[in-house]
Amino acid sequence: EDKVVQSPLSLVVHEGDTVTLNCSYEVTNFRSLLWYKQEKKAPTFLFMLTSSGIEKKSGRLSSILDKKELFSILNITATQTGDSAVYLCAGRGDGGSQGNLIFGKGTKLSVKP
Amino acid sequence: GAGVSQSPSNKVTEKGKDVELRCDPISGHTALYWYRQSLGQGLEFLIYFQGNSAPDKSGLPSDRFSAERTGGSVSTLTIQRTQQEDSAVYLCASSLASGRVYNEQFFGPGTRLTVL
Repeated sequence: EDKVVQSPLSLVVHEGDTVTLNCSYEVTNFRSLLWYKQEKKAPTFLFMLTSSGIEKKSGRLSSILDKKELFSILNITATQTGDSAVYLCAGRGDGGSQGNLIFGKGTKLSVKP
Repeated sequence: GAGVSQSPSNKVTEKGKDVELRCDPISGHTALYWYRQSLGQGLEFLIYFQGNSAPDKSGLPSDRFSAERTGGSVSTLTIQRTQQEDSAVYLCASSLASGRVYNEQFFGPGTRLTVL
């Protein structure tokens, strides 16, 4: 059965800290891994990763995929209170529903001032 | 608006009643997904529509759940004879999907369903 596991489940840091969020996956015929940020209801898209070892970067956020070890990390540097959210990782494969994403339970990040 | 919209934003109903949740995807997006998110949990896939193909209903938890997508655009998720365990946020997402290329999904704000 396909699954995505995120760790830690929750994390509390102070502004300015750097955090690393982890995502491991077991997805049939893996195609891509996506990261989303969920602040209230609607998850907002952050990154889609398809190739190993190529870092994707957007401002203070970056992410990388390791297809050999089946994991991805999301890094946030110089955290701000506005980074407080649940970060969701999702894997997509060809097994099951075409295009369906298998989501992890998320990491709840709290950034204290 | 350019994003995915859902209505209502909140729905409180009594156990045993039927509810309908609506999703308007981004114009031109051929793929539409419904997910359910219970408190403290990840997103649980429910159903997937792609163009005119038969929907993938493999995630629907019981036959009380059904969904339609009319004209390749708006979708309605119906839950019959609601139970308390149906209480959750129901999220709709849409994406461009062409052949075997799947793009990121854009999510709506969700409908928070509370079954008393």
